[in-house]
Amino acid sequence: RKEVEQDPGPFNVPEGATVAFNCTYSNSASQSFFWYRQDCRKEPKLLMSVYSSGNEDGRFTAQLNRASQYISLLIRDSKLSDSATYLCVGDTGRRALTFGSGTRLQVQP
Amino acid sequence: NAGVTQTPKFQVLKTGQSMTLQCAQDMNHNSMYWYRQDPGMGLRLIYYSASEGTTDKGEVPNGYNVSRLNKREFSLRLESAAPSQTSVYFCASETGDYQPQHFGDGTRLSIL
Repeated sequence: RKEVEQDPGPFNVPEGATVAFNCTYSNSASQSFFWYRQDCRKEPKLLMSVYSSGNEDGRFTAQLNRASQYISLLIRDSKLSDSATYLCVGDTGRRALTFGSGTRLQVQP
Repeated sequence: NAGVTQTPKFQVLKTGQSMTLQCAQDMNHNSMYWYRQDPGMGLRLIYYSASEGTTDKGEVPNGYNVSRLNKREFSLRLESAAPSQTSVYFCASETGDYQPQHFGDGTRLSIL
């Protein structure tokens, strides 16, 4: 079983929709989590850090459920520019992050 | 702001050739990392350096060597390139544990 698992998608949603991705992790030692956004063949860019129960930044909300070992990302009012792959990442503090394979989002006009 | 800079951006090699991928960061970060990313897969850690003068193996170190030249620079060397090493290589840096990593824009490497 992978340490961090994500639904690969793609999630096809219309502009303006709300979409949510879930990510499950198996290593209970993970202390912090991150959501990165990756555009096709480009570098991952940090979208949000999650250190406690959750975080919110504009249209983006991340929730952490340690009991069930999952992290979610909610995107409200989707824009065409939100189309990308979203990577869920766990950090056990052992000098390395564990990356999920990513969830692909396609926002359609 | 430069952040993490990788060179070259693209490279084509023949099987058996060697080359070094360069990475430099200007954020005064302690830790640096090399990843590879293959289609449909997540990033896999090749090597990392927790601080200047130290390096450690990651998940997929075979066929690679690294050098942490100073606090800014961390290079990745392929001694004898193989087609299985065709990939996109990303360098990243971070200040320390539980902090996000910042990535360079990648080196696209093809080995024929």
